[in-house]
Amino acid sequence: EAGVAQSPRYKIIEKRQSVAFWCNPISGHATLYWYQQILGQGPKLLIQFQNNGVVDDSQLPKDRFSAERLKGVDSTLKIQPAKLEDSAVYLCASSLGLEISYGYTFGSGTRLTVV
Amino acid sequence: AQSVTQLGSHVSVSEGALVLLRCNYSSSVPPYLFWYVQYPNQGLQLLLKYTSAATLVKGINGFEAEFKKSETSFHLTKPSAHMSDAAEYFCAVSERGTYKYIFGTGTRLKVLA
Repeated sequence: EAGVAQSPRYKIIEKRQSVAFWCNPISGHATLYWYQQILGQGPKLLIQFQNNGVVDDSQLPKDRFSAERLKGVDSTLKIQPAKLEDSAVYLCASSLGLEISYGYTFGSGTRLTVV
Repeated sequence: AQSVTQLGSHVSVSEGALVLLRCNYSSSVPPYLFWYVQYPNQGLQLLLKYTSAATLVKGINGFEAEFKKSETSFHLTKPSAHMSDAAEYFCAVSERGTYKYIFGTGTRLKVLA
């Protein structure tokens, strides 16, 4: 089966610019996650979707980050405006459903550098 | 609140030696526990998971982990390290009834020839 696809793989932007990341989950996976992984830290959940509805966005900095999952398939994560501390790898993951024991399948991530 | 602690941000072993990566968790109820591996420039890949069946869990690539409730631990082991095991390893915990992981800070494993 095809994995979780993410693009772009790398992105360098200046602070205060905007950027968008795209994720295509595994076909049939209802649950989609965006994680932020700062260098030297474990991934931190930003937002979780179940189909096209938001389950958890409690750690999403909503003043600058936004995400959507139209039609319950692909998802985009946007940062506007970017700050230096947003430099990180942004990982998308998908799962069959909300049951955590399923485990996630992660994409390869988008490495963002804000200069 | 849930948390997970990985002791040792860097671990070096010789090829053929035992691999032991430590993970301790904090949770008010028996959690689900996971180990993920991340190779350079790749996403995380599930190694194994504990979901309340057998306490000794076998995963891919010869890794296994044992859930010890009395020690609140879920250490990852492999009898004989291979060069291809060099990667970063993340322990994660999820409290039953929640829908998300809390990840540890990771342990980078280096395998010496």
